[in-house]
Amino acid sequence: QLQLQESGPGLVKPSETLSLTCTVSGGSISSSSYYWGWIRQPPGKGLEWIGSIYYSGSTYYNPSLKSRVTISVDTSKNQFSLKLSSVTAADTAVYYCARQLNCGGDCWVDYWGQGTLVTVSS
Amino acid sequence: EIVLTQSPGTLSLSPGERATLSCRASQSVSSSYLAWYQQKPGQAPRLLIYGASSRATGIPDRFSGSGSGTDFTLTISRLEPEDFAVYYCQQYGSSPTFGQGTKVEIK
Repeated sequence: QLQLQESGPGLVKPSETLSLTCTVSGGSISSSSYYWGWIRQPPGKGLEWIGSIYYSGSTYYNPSLKSRVTISVDTSKNQFSLKLSSVTAADTAVYYCARQLNCGGDCWVDYWGQGTLVTVSS
Repeated sequence: EIVLTQSPGTLSLSPGERATLSCRASQSVSSSYLAWYQQKPGQAPRLLIYGASSRATGIPDRFSGSGSGTDFTLTISRLEPEDFAVYYCQQYGSSPTFGQGTKVEIK
């Protein structure tokens, strides 16, 4: 059974960089059938797609976040990571890592991590 | 960016009733690249429907999706107690975006 687990600091100071890692178990991140993505949800609000990565390293980012986002992959560790720079309180959210089907691009999400709350505060 | 608008914001229904949720896109969603998710409090979303009308693995047949172009619908034929939750649509035809959600609550 595929599992995705987010890890990283739960508290980040304003203007600093948020860093999270997603560890994939029960399946290979190097499969050509999937993209691997990050999605966030501010408390009490809706979902926002941040971006995704293919095992080859090709990335796709939300245009509204693109200038601050970097997603990378480490196939040897079966992990992918998110970095979001210059954070503000508006970046406080539950961050989910997710598996997206490759349907010629990054498509629907069929597996989600449990999510991790990241709070931006001094 | 394709903006998805879901309506109504909240749907108050009783178990056994039919639920009809709407998702309207600001421009045509290519190849019916639209999905629906269910989210319960404190949980990650769960995939229900992809490709506008294909049920995900393990999803009961009381859930059905329809639509194309800019107008899509999720129908729950008879609400079970476990169906009361928030539902989101997502388009993935271009840079993925989500609707703001519809809450289905017990009347």
